[in-house]
Amino acid sequence: QLVLTQSPSASASLGASVKLTCTLSSGHSSYAIAWHQQQPEKGPRYLMKLNSDGSHSKGDGIPDRFSGSSSGAERYLTISSLQSEDEADYYCQTWGTGGVFGGGTKLTVL
Amino acid sequence: EVQLVQSGAEVKKPGESLKISCKGSGYSFTSYWIGWVRQMPGKGLEWMGIIYPGDSDTRYSPSFQGQVTISADKSISTAYLQWSSLKASDTAMYYCARPLFEYSSGWYYFDYWGQGTLVTVSS
Repeated sequence: QLVLTQSPSASASLGASVKLTCTLSSGHSSYAIAWHQQQPEKGPRYLMKLNSDGSHSKGDGIPDRFSGSSSGAERYLTISSLQSEDEADYYCQTWGTGGVFGGGTKLTVL
Repeated sequence: EVQLVQSGAEVKKPGESLKISCKGSGYSFTSYWIGWVRQMPGKGLEWMGIIYPGDSDTRYSPSFQGQVTISADKSISTAYLQWSSLKASDTAMYYCARPLFEYSSGWYYFDYWGQGTLVTVSS
């Protein structure tokens, strides 16, 4: 079964960097994913799609501070030079027989 | 500019019916799938289903099959999510989103989202 696993929470200081992880279930390590950001009281926003080889393509207007990488079954979202508006929930998403979302990671900017 | 604009918040009683909408603009509405995603209070995102407005081909998540109906009116570039008999457990935010097909890898990812419609079901 295709499952995406994310840590429930993460935190980092203003101006620092943080790396969020999304892990694909066994047998699905070649799958691409997308990252979405949901700021408090707002709808989700597409950030980027990320392939198994680490190549990624960002959505319109997404700052260079956001980047993606991959290793095996893990897909990463790195946010550098953290700003207060980066405090949000981050979801990974892929597709099997339908859409699949990770449980989301709540990022706190200290 | 691609935009998905959803209808406003709804407050309903259990057993009532409801139809919420999502209007697409800035792209060829009939050439892309459009989907619905549920977010229950304080919870994560759940994929409900998708429809291809060009021919009304519809796919449902097993979790939502038979619980909701997804439809579209291509003449007005609008997709719908419908309940025939609401339950308190349907209380949630509902988002429409456009799943874009990635030909190189053969998968879909959501590249645009609506602003959400809050549905509250309470007696």
